[in-house]
Amino acid sequence: EPEVTQTPSHQVTQMGQEVILRCVPISNHLYFYWYRQILGQKVEFLVSFYNNEISEKSEIFDDQFSVERPDGSNFTLKIRSTKLEDSAMYFCASSESGGATKVVFGPGTRLTVL
Amino acid sequence: GQSLEQPSEVTAVEGAIVQINCTYQTSGFYGLSWYQQHDGGAPTFLSYNALDGLEETGRFSSFLSRSDSYGYLLLQELQMKDSASYFCAVRPPNQAGTALIFGKGTTLSVSS
Repeated sequence: EPEVTQTPSHQVTQMGQEVILRCVPISNHLYFYWYRQILGQKVEFLVSFYNNEISEKSEIFDDQFSVERPDGSNFTLKIRSTKLEDSAMYFCASSESGGATKVVFGPGTRLTVL
Repeated sequence: GQSLEQPSEVTAVEGAIVQINCTYQTSGFYGLSWYQQHDGGAPTFLSYNALDGLEETGRFSSFLSRSDSYGYLLLQELQMKDSASYFCAVRPPNQAGTALIFGKGTTLSVSS
């Protein structure tokens, strides 16, 4: 079964540094997402992306966050100036459509901000 | 806004049946989904209810009643590997309607 892949699996950074989290969504999927999960808490929606632009974003997705599809396969999340509270698991996901009943999640990148 | 309430923990023994409830307060949504998450893993899709009623997928079934603002996930013939967190989620119709809003999750522990 097709999978969403993410790199790196674990990223450690210093507060104030920029990080880029990378994802390869499923090839025939059209909608891409980033979600985050702070340890022990629920999964939270950050942003959805379709046709090379943001479709929807949450209040969490402020000016320090940005997303990009630099080529035909990769999808990235950039955090410009990391804060301690950005430490979380970041999941990339994709779906065939925006209204798809099934969203496929990647294995996640654990971001630790020191 | 949206609010989804689930029990925080449920325990059961192998072979048993367990029901995980999800009550919600939301102005509207496209459907109720259920995801499973093993410790340290990614959420994986289990089921989706667009309409009221029961949807069955093998050992798992899901139910939705929009009039009661209530849904549940039913797990039958429990196995040790079913020990995981289970999240209900909805897609609100605001903005583009693409966001999944998750509940806080229910940790299921299955013992032998």
